[in-house]
Amino acid sequence: DAGVIQSPRHEVTEMGQEVTLRCKPISGHNSLFWYRQTMMRGLELLIYFNNNVPIDDSGMPEDRFSAKMPNASFSTLKIQPSEPRDSAVYFCASSLFRARDTIYFGEGSWLTVV
Amino acid sequence: SQKIEQNSEALNIQEGKTATLTCNYTNYSPAYLQWYRQDPGRGPVFLLLIRENEKEKRKERLKVTFDTTLKQSLFHITASQPADSATYLCAQFGNEKLTFGTGTRLTIIP
Repeated sequence: DAGVIQSPRHEVTEMGQEVTLRCKPISGHNSLFWYRQTMMRGLELLIYFNNNVPIDDSGMPEDRFSAKMPNASFSTLKIQPSEPRDSAVYFCASSLFRARDTIYFGEGSWLTVV
Repeated sequence: SQKIEQNSEALNIQEGKTATLTCNYTNYSPAYLQWYRQDPGRGPVFLLLIRENEKEKRKERLKVTFDTTLKQSLFHITASQPADSATYLCAQFGNEKLTFGTGTRLTIIP
């Protein structure tokens, strides 16, 4: 299995631009998670989906952030408009059954907003 | 709200010695704790899971303990090797979420 696949691996964008991060979970996994990692705050859960339905988005920082999962094999995290404080590593992860099972992480999308 | 803390930001250990990392949680006891390893530029990788009714779990040179009285989990690497150098994250399961500590950066010195 190829594991969780994220794109792009690195993104540098200007403040105010729209950023879209993409994720393909492991085939057969029905839960998908978006995490953000920074030096100051560590790894924070932004949102998670179960069977393509958003279950908990309480970690989404503000309305500029949105996430979708149109089908079982694809999810996006969008930031519009982006700000320098959004600079972080964004991880997508998947599991067989919510957080009760082992979570498998992708390699992350490194976002820099200048 | 429930918090999980890893007291040491960084830890240096001589090769061959046992490295011990600490994870503390507040308030209620989580159903289980997980430990992950993260290498620079990579995503976290699952290592071990220990449930609240388990005192100890082992996997090769790794050992995890769960003390609900102290509200603490200890992660041990015996016979440490330079290849064990990485950041280690503990995570607690609660409210259908996995919440991570900030991690301990472990360096094994040859």
